[in-house]
Amino acid sequence: DVVLTQSPATLSVTPGERISLSCRASESVDTYLHWYQQKPNESPRLLIKYASQSISGIPSRFSGSGSGTDFTLSINGVELEDLSIYYCQQGNSLPYTFGAGTKLELK
Amino acid sequence: EVQLVESGGGLVQPGRSMKLSCAASGFTFSNYGMAWVRQAPTKGLEWVATISYDGSSTYYRDSVKGRFTISRDNAKSTLYLQMNSLRSEDTATYYCTRGSGYGYWGQGVMVTVSS
Repeated sequence: DVVLTQSPATLSVTPGERISLSCRASESVDTYLHWYQQKPNESPRLLIKYASQSISGIPSRFSGSGSGTDFTLSINGVELEDLSIYYCQQGNSLPYTFGAGTKLELK
Repeated sequence: EVQLVESGGGLVQPGRSMKLSCAASGFTFSNYGMAWVRQAPTKGLEWVATISYDGSSTYYRDSVKGRFTISRDNAKSTLYLQMNSLRSEDTATYYCTRGSGYGYWGQGVMVTVSS
């Protein structure tokens, strides 16, 4: 199984800051890597698909990059509403797997 | 507007069965592969099963293979998950999702396996 390692596990942020979240795969997943945001008691929401493709309705401050085994989700100017858990997920090989998540909290 | 509405969850004893349904609307259901993803209480997300747009192909994680069956009725725009021989570790919120790169999710349905 492809293991996705997300770092850091928790990130303390200040509103307005530019941040980067990392997702590292145990083997290449090409660009079959997606990012989700999940707020408490809500369903996950797709932020970025296929490593860097934007999603309609998602604020432009969210962007993704990477291919192969190293991926990054960037938030350019964190807002309070962005405080939540972020998961990466690979759809390259079965079983599809998710990372353990990165929690954004207020500094 | 795309909508996915799950139903059928609840409390069930270990070893028993339960069937989840997901009613889809707002898109042409028969054009999309669908999946079930679950989340145990306070835990992360876990892919469970995927079915192709026409139901001809299905895929499962090892821990549910032989116990769970994903199926669909394109005439009714409904996705199903038949869960047999349930175990305590199957306790989770189960989400219905669309496609790969899960752009749409249902609200989730809680399944609790306990005696």
